Amino acid sequence: TAGITQAPTSQILAAGRSMTLRCTQDMRHNAMYWYRQDLGLGLRLIHYSNTAGTTGKGEVPDGYSVSRANTDDFPLTLASAVPSQTSVYFCASSSGTGGAGELFFGEGSRLTVL
Amino acid sequence: QKEVEQNSGPLSVPEGAIASLNCTYSDRGSQSFFWYRQYSGKSPELIMFIYSNGDKEDGRFTAQLNKASQYVSLLIRDSQPSDSATYLCAVHSGGGADGLTFGKGTHLIIQP
Repeated sequence: TAGITQAPTSQILAAGRSMTLRCTQDMRHNAMYWYRQDLGLGLRLIHYSNTAGTTGKGEVPDGYSVSRANTDDFPLTLASAVPSQTSVYFCASSSGTGGAGELFFGEGSRLTVL
Repeated sequence: QKEVEQNSGPLSVPEGAIASLNCTYSDRGSQSFFWYRQYSGKSPELIMFIYSNGDKEDGRFTAQLNKASQYVSLLIRDSQPSDSATYLCAVHSGGGADGLTFGKGTHLIIQP
């Protein structure tokens, strides 16, 4: 069972370049999320989507954008990367309404911005 | 600002003993509570969830919730070296699909 697939697994990116992290789920979950995880700061929510066609801002949205054209895909774009965006990015999904259900996580994308 | 607090550890427990992990949260309206386990370099995986006050048991794991004290805990009985990981407490406050708020995690080490 694939669950949630993220790509790329890791990437080194020059500052100022753009980058899209891909996330695809095959569980037909309505809700999807992007978190970043940094040492000492834990997991922090970047953006979320309740259902296809809608998105919302999380705790740390600046510098990131998302889209939700369909149920399965939820890409995260960095328009102009900065070194502070070096992090591990996790995509997650949930079937629970209102975000109350279990989150299923992808394997993560490790991004280094130089 | 919704906050979830955990002791970062490391918490060292002998093999076979009970490991007790604690978490407090700031939003009194929080409705759902989750414990995730995360091995180094891996993604978080759900261990337990609890919605109501009291205890909930699943195998060697027991989650405890006290909404009046805004406190949730995870007990691991008969701790095994494979339980060594970082344990993340997560809270959902309701009112829309705004995801879970995570604590920074407690690093647990089970000593053989």
